[in-house]
Amino acid sequence: EAGVAQSPRYKIIEKRQSVAFWCNPISGHATLYWYQQILGQGPKLLIQFQNNGVVDDSQLPKDRFSAERLKGVDSTLKIQPAKLEDSAVYLCASSSLTSSRGEQYFGPGTRLTVT
Amino acid sequence: KQEVTQIPAALSVPEGENLVLNCSFTDSAIYNLQWFRQDPGKGLTSLLLIQSSQREQTSGRLNASLDKSSGRSTLYIAASQPGDSATYLCAVNGADGLTFGKGTHLIIQP
Repeated sequence: EAGVAQSPRYKIIEKRQSVAFWCNPISGHATLYWYQQILGQGPKLLIQFQNNGVVDDSQLPKDRFSAERLKGVDSTLKIQPAKLEDSAVYLCASSSLTSSRGEQYFGPGTRLTVT
Repeated sequence: KQEVTQIPAALSVPEGENLVLNCSFTDSAIYNLQWFRQDPGKGLTSLLLIQSSQREQTSGRLNASLDKSSGRSTLYIAASQPGDSATYLCAVNGADGLTFGKGTHLIIQP
């Protein structure tokens, strides 16, 4: 089966600009996650969707970050305006609602550099 | 709040050695624990998942153990190879979702 797809793979923007990342989960996976991974750190959960509803967005900086999953499949994460400290790898993951193991499958990530 | 610590932060060993990576967590109320591998510039590859009711899981040269009561897990890599060079991340799945450690950066010298 095809894995989690993300685009773009790399993005360089100036501070105060906006940027959007796209994620397509594994087919049939109801749960989708966005993580932020700062260099030298483990990934940190930003937001979790189940189908097209938000389960957890407690660590999402809502003044500048937004995410949507309108049809319960693809998802978009947006940053507006970007700050220098947003430089990180943004990882998307998905898991099957029917999986009792709760195993998450990760995409390749989008590396964002804010200058 | 769950906290995950990985020791050592970095490790460099000659090819062929057996090695152990350590992971500790503060809240033992977990659903499962996953070990991931991350290559430079890449996403995460799941290596092993241990359910909270299990003690260990094995895949090829990898063996992961879990002692939930003491909040510890180890990843054992047998007969290490240069291709094992990567960052290894431990992640605990609990009430807060998946909480990651900072990882162990592993270098296997040819």
